[in-house]
Amino acid sequence: KQEVTQIPAALSVPEGENLVLNCSFTDSAIYNLQWFRQDPGKGLTSLLLIQSSQREQTSGRLNASLDKSSGRSTLYIAASQPGDSATYLCALTLMIKAAGNKLTFGGGTRVLVKP
Amino acid sequence: AAGVIQSPRHLIKEKRETATLKCYPIPRHDTVYWYQQGPGQDPQFLISFYEKMQSDKGSIPDRFSAQQFSDYHSELNMSSLELGDSALYFCASSLGRAGGVDTEAFFGQGTRLTVV
Repeated sequence: KQEVTQIPAALSVPEGENLVLNCSFTDSAIYNLQWFRQDPGKGLTSLLLIQSSQREQTSGRLNASLDKSSGRSTLYIAASQPGDSATYLCALTLMIKAAGNKLTFGGGTRVLVKP
Repeated sequence: AAGVIQSPRHLIKEKRETATLKCYPIPRHDTVYWYQQGPGQDPQFLISFYEKMQSDKGSIPDRFSAQQFSDYHSELNMSSLELGDSALYFCASSLGRAGGVDTEAFFGQGTRLTVV
């Protein structure tokens, strides 16, 4: 059974610092990995998608890396801003079915960026 | 750009009542997923559909059922509601792997169900 872990569960940094969020998984036979942002009581916003054949993806201040052999993904957020405060979740899709494979979520990292 | 639309956004029901949640996927997306998120928890997978057929099933109670219609919208039917069913229910959509490439899953804003 795939287990997805995100450490730390919570993180508080001063504005301007770089954020490093970790996601680890036990089954390396993943199809892709997504990083999401969730504000309290709101929906999940997709930030980045990394296919299993890729090593990293970048979007603006965000960079996500994937190392399947070690079962890790890292989300970097450069020059953090108070607006980056949210919960960040990673989710994996395993290569099981032809389509409609579920995403398995980690527990999330709650980030607070202090002005 | 069009996003995943869920309705209603908020729903209050009494115990033992029935609720129906609706999901309208992004146009041309053929895959729909349902998730349940309790307070302080990560989303838990309930069920998914690809091309109107059930594709994967998670921890969905027998009291719940779902289907995907010919226009690809999906409905989650919940009967004999219990207090523990109070949660945020998310729908997500993606383009299935028929083309060989799995696309991003995009989530709706969710339906907040409160059972009293």
